[in-house]
Amino acid sequence: DAGVTQSPTHLIKTRGQQVTLRCSPISGHKSVSWYQQVLGQGPQFIFQYYEKEERGRGNFPDRFSARQFPNYSSELNVNALLLGDSALYLCASSLHDRGPSPLHFGNGTRLTVT
Amino acid sequence: AQSVTQPDIHITVSEGASLELRCNYSYGATPYLFWYVQSPGQGLQLLLKYFSGDTLVQGIKGFEAEFKRSQSSFNLRKPSVHWSDAAEYFCAVYGGSQGNLIFGKGTKLSVKP
Repeated sequence: DAGVTQSPTHLIKTRGQQVTLRCSPISGHKSVSWYQQVLGQGPQFIFQYYEKEERGRGNFPDRFSARQFPNYSSELNVNALLLGDSALYLCASSLHDRGPSPLHFGNGTRLTVT
Repeated sequence: AQSVTQPDIHITVSEGASLELRCNYSYGATPYLFWYVQSPGQGLQLLLKYFSGDTLVQGIKGFEAEFKRSQSSFNLRKPSVHWSDAAEYFCAVYGGSQGNLIFGKGTKLSVKP
C-alpha cells in the first residue's frame, strides 16, 4: 500500500510569493494534518482536516491556509512568503479525527524562501 | 500547557552498545505518548506508542519505551544499537483539543563503528 505522498519534494520561492503544497493520504485515511519542521526543531502543528472540515489550527498566521478535497487529499497554501517560512512541511494522515490515532507521515516538502 | 522535553540534543554511542533516549512530558490527564524516528531527508516513522496498560511498550526495530507516571517520563531504549539506527528521534504527546501531536525538539543519535 502506498504511504502518504507529498509533492513537490523541494521548492525554492522568493519572499512575497505564494506556494501550494500537496498531500495524498494513505488509502482509507480521512484525516490529514500539516506540520512545519524548522531545522533543528520538532514538527509544529499547523492544521488538521477531517471530511473536508478544519478540525484544528495551530499558532500560525492567516497567511497559512489549507483545504481538503472529497478524495481526502489536501493542499497547504502559504501567501506572502517570509524567509522564516523556510522549513520542511510534513503531511500526516490518520484514520480518525479524534483520539490518539497514530499519524503516518509523508517525506515532506522542503521549502526554501530566498 | 502540554509540552515535551528531550534533554539531550545529540548522543553518540558505539555500535553494539545500549541506548536510552530521555523524554519528559507535561500533560494534565493520562498522556498518549509516541516515539518517532526521522532519517535524513525523510519523514517521521512511528516507532512505538503508549496509550494505556502495560507501562513497557515494544516497538519496531527492537526499540522499547517505559512509561513512568511518577517521573513524567517516557524513555526510549534499545539493548544493542546498529549503525542504521543513526537518525533523529522525536518524542511526542497527543495534545487533545486540536487533535494534534506536540513534539519535543528531538535527539540526534550518532553511532560510532
